[in-house]
Amino acid sequence: DTGVSQNPRHKITKRGQNVTFRCDPISEHNRLYWYRQTLGQGPEFLTYFQNEAQLEKSRLLSDRFSAERPKGSFSTLEIQRTEQGDSAMYLCASSRTEDTQYFGPGTRLTVL
Amino acid sequence: KNQVEQSPQSLIILEGKNCTLQCNYTVSPFSNLRWYKQDTGRGPVSLTIMTFSENTKSNGRYTATLDADTKQSSLHITASQLSDSASYICVVPPSGGYQKVTFGTGTKLQVIP
Repeated sequence: DTGVSQNPRHKITKRGQNVTFRCDPISEHNRLYWYRQTLGQGPEFLTYFQNEAQLEKSRLLSDRFSAERPKGSFSTLEIQRTEQGDSAMYLCASSRTEDTQYFGPGTRLTVL
Repeated sequence: KNQVEQSPQSLIILEGKNCTLQCNYTVSPFSNLRWYKQDTGRGPVSLTIMTFSENTKSNGRYTATLDADTKQSSLHITASQLSDSASYICVVPPSGGYQKVTFGTGTKLQVIP
């Protein structure tokens, strides 16, 4: 399967700890997106990369959040000093230019 | 404020029956409208993308319509199957960039035997 993959699928952490998620997009896709989804809500845009450049960043992305895509391939999303309100599903998607975004399975974060 | 509203919030139908989901939007300027299917615990999967000039687009048993004048879209599912049970999310990304991408809260569909 050459779809978008995300790791880990589930993460449970204590408040105040740092966590890092990884996303591997479809190989020929140069665009990569991060979203956050809470129960019963639609995904909320967090940030967007074109190749290795982070082109857009939502106001939802506080200074505790940082995303990277160092070589224009995989991406990481780090949350520092996690809070209970960070508990959510973190979705990654990739696309080729303006084409359909293909989503990964998501990483479910639970902050205790 | 740009908004996307979907109705109904949830729906239960018998296997084999048809159903129609609605999406109203106020996003401006308008780029395109996308319907996604999201199974519980999984990422969304694209069903269809409609541009301003398209009125109808089909993908198997799924048919989406768009009325750009009234800013309404519908997703019609024909001969429903148990595997259609999922949330259906309407997405309207404006031409101004993903900073403002708006996802609807979705319609949760349950197909029962």
